[in-house]
Amino acid sequence: DAKTTQPTSMDCAEGRAANLPCNHSTISGNEYVYWYRQIHSQGPQYIIHGLKNNETNEMASLIITEDRKSSTLILPHATLRDTAVYYCIVRVANTNAGKSTFGDGTTLTVKP
Amino acid sequence: DVKVTQSSRYLVKRTGEKVFLECVQDMDHENMFWYRQDPGLGLRLIYFSYDVKMKEKGDIPEGYSVSREKKERFSLILESASTNQTSMYLCASTDPTGGQYEQFFGPGTRLTVL
Repeated sequence: DAKTTQPTSMDCAEGRAANLPCNHSTISGNEYVYWYRQIHSQGPQYIIHGLKNNETNEMASLIITEDRKSSTLILPHATLRDTAVYYCIVRVANTNAGKSTFGDGTTLTVKP
Repeated sequence: DVKVTQSSRYLVKRTGEKVFLECVQDMDHENMFWYRQDPGLGLRLIYFSYDVKMKEKGDIPEGYSVSREKKERFSLILESASTNQTSMYLCASTDPTGGQYEQFFGPGTRLTVL
């Protein structure tokens, strides 16, 4: 599975959009981009994933560049409860294992 | 909603004890995983299972074993606990039939080995 690079930490004002970048320059054609987040003392929570098209769900939007070498997770109106560590992962989806490699992620702090 | 539960949130054991960590999922998922999470090291895969009685080693299996006798239950076993196994342990499950493989995690067990 390809490796990812994320900033260590970011701040965002409450109510503003939070844009979390991720670089995955060695991504393969059959690898998906997944985003998870982990609120303190809880297990990681799935947010969204995509292959090459932009995706949106009730939690967030995922923008993937045309060359697929980077992506951005967008939380449109960040709240204090969005303070968490956000993980960007790339992996092949269509395998029996479906295992993921989680790095250190980005610690997002939403401030009042 | 998928629910993944773990038997304990906090556990304190002594060096040399045998430790069982239990994980149960209620959505009939085929794949289950055990990770440990340590500061600065991210999540590291210990073992995973893609079917009952099937198991495969992850990245750091040494000192651990697993058991999957029923589809919904995946147990992590520390045969003889050591202080370097103090960590947060996370269980996850995945349903491969949908083809997307997003993982659902339990709340974690924080194990302290004294």
